[in-house]
Amino acid sequence: AQSVTQPDIHITVSEGASLELRCNYSYGATPYLFWYVQSPGQGLQLLLKYFSGDTLVQGIKGFEAEFKRSQSSFNLRKPSVHWSDAAEYFCAVASYNNNDMRFGAGTRLTVKP
Amino acid sequence: DTAVSQTPKYLVTQMGNDKSIKCEQNLGHDTMYWYKQDSKKFLKIMFSYNNKELIINETVPNRFSPKSPDKAHLNLHINSLELGDSAVYFCASSLGGLAAGETQYFGPGTRLLVL
Repeated sequence: AQSVTQPDIHITVSEGASLELRCNYSYGATPYLFWYVQSPGQGLQLLLKYFSGDTLVQGIKGFEAEFKRSQSSFNLRKPSVHWSDAAEYFCAVASYNNNDMRFGAGTRLTVKP
Repeated sequence: DTAVSQTPKYLVTQMGNDKSIKCEQNLGHDTMYWYKQDSKKFLKIMFSYNNKELIINETVPNRFSPKSPDKAHLNLHINSLELGDSAVYFCASSLGGLAAGETQYFGPGTRLLVL
């Protein structure tokens, strides 16, 4: 069964600094990988997803993520963080051969002025 | 227009009651889902449903049941509410199912508090 680990519960960065949120996964088949963002009191919004092909995936709001099969990682990055990026970020994995989706526990991002 | 909407936004009720949460999507999607997000923000899929198949997460108590009057709606009925049911419940939809890796669109959530 697939699972997702987000090692960092809470990260604080200064506005304008770069950001990397970590995600590690395990799966029994070819994974679909996702990053979602949840603003306070809101539902989840998809930032980007990876199925196959180019391992560097571009998403919305200036985010990107890199799939590294050898490290079982799918880390999310942004070169310059904006105050509006403060939110909860969830990594998720689904498998093409079953109807299951697993989310990580989330990483809360705080942005300092 | 809101793509995925849920009602009510907040629900406070007593233990033992039966309640329903409604979900509607206007995206023309074939598959809808219910998720539970606990107090630690952990998000867990409860059901996925399209007009052909209901897939239930085996850990979901049978007090929870999804009801779909049509393709655009998937309501969640909860019988005999327990304290541990307190959580935020999210509805979502996608064009195809999870096996197709389709993007899910989430509703704003329903915050359920059982007293």
